[in-house]
Amino acid sequence: ILNVEQSPQSLHVQEGDSTNFTCSFPSSNFYALHWYRWETAKSPEALFVMTLNGDEKKKGRISATLNTKEGYSYLYIKGSQPEDSATYLCASRYNNNDMRFGAGTRLTVKP
Amino acid sequence: GAGVSQSPRYKVAKRGQDVALRCDPISGHVSLFWYQQALGQGPEFLTYFQNEAQLDKSGLPSDRFFAERPEGSVSTLKIQRTQQEDSAVYLCASSLGPVLGNQPQHFGDGTRLSIL
Repeated sequence: ILNVEQSPQSLHVQEGDSTNFTCSFPSSNFYALHWYRWETAKSPEALFVMTLNGDEKKKGRISATLNTKEGYSYLYIKGSQPEDSATYLCASRYNNNDMRFGAGTRLTVKP
Repeated sequence: GAGVSQSPRYKVAKRGQDVALRCDPISGHVSLFWYQQALGQGPEFLTYFQNEAQLDKSGLPSDRFFAERPEGSVSTLKIQRTQQEDSAVYLCASSLGPVLGNQPQHFGDGTRLSIL
């Protein structure tokens, strides 16, 4: 199984801007896609788990979509706030129990 | 506490020493995972347990790495004869259901291991 890729590697936005980033993953034997939010010096916090093609999940100002056929997921943040600053990790799980993480997108929101 | 607890938070050891890292999962969580995270990279899977059974250890980098979860709760990751390349953050995560469920994993704060 090839690597999970996240882009961009880092992102700086102004408070109030909306932003989005991408997670690309191998689609063969796909089972589920996980998004995590990871603040410095804390443990990763689960945001979403998605399994079906076309799934869209929302939690407050954060939402995510999933395309299992082409192997990508987008994470959107509407009206970014400084407290959204964190690394956003995605991980894909496969039918053989394999789970692969991306390297994360580091988001910095400037007041 | 209610979350996944890992100890120690930081460990410094000399090359060649053995180390043991502990993970206390959330009570009642069936699945437990260990990951290794090198600087600037995402977590890399090491091994997982469903209750006390180690169902996959294909991610362990060498036979110096050994993990156990004898009673299906607390887990220990042991590294024998440590090498400098073992320096990393070791993350433990647990989830409520079986491994192929779609519940999220809950992570501990990790153990930062430095080998001198």
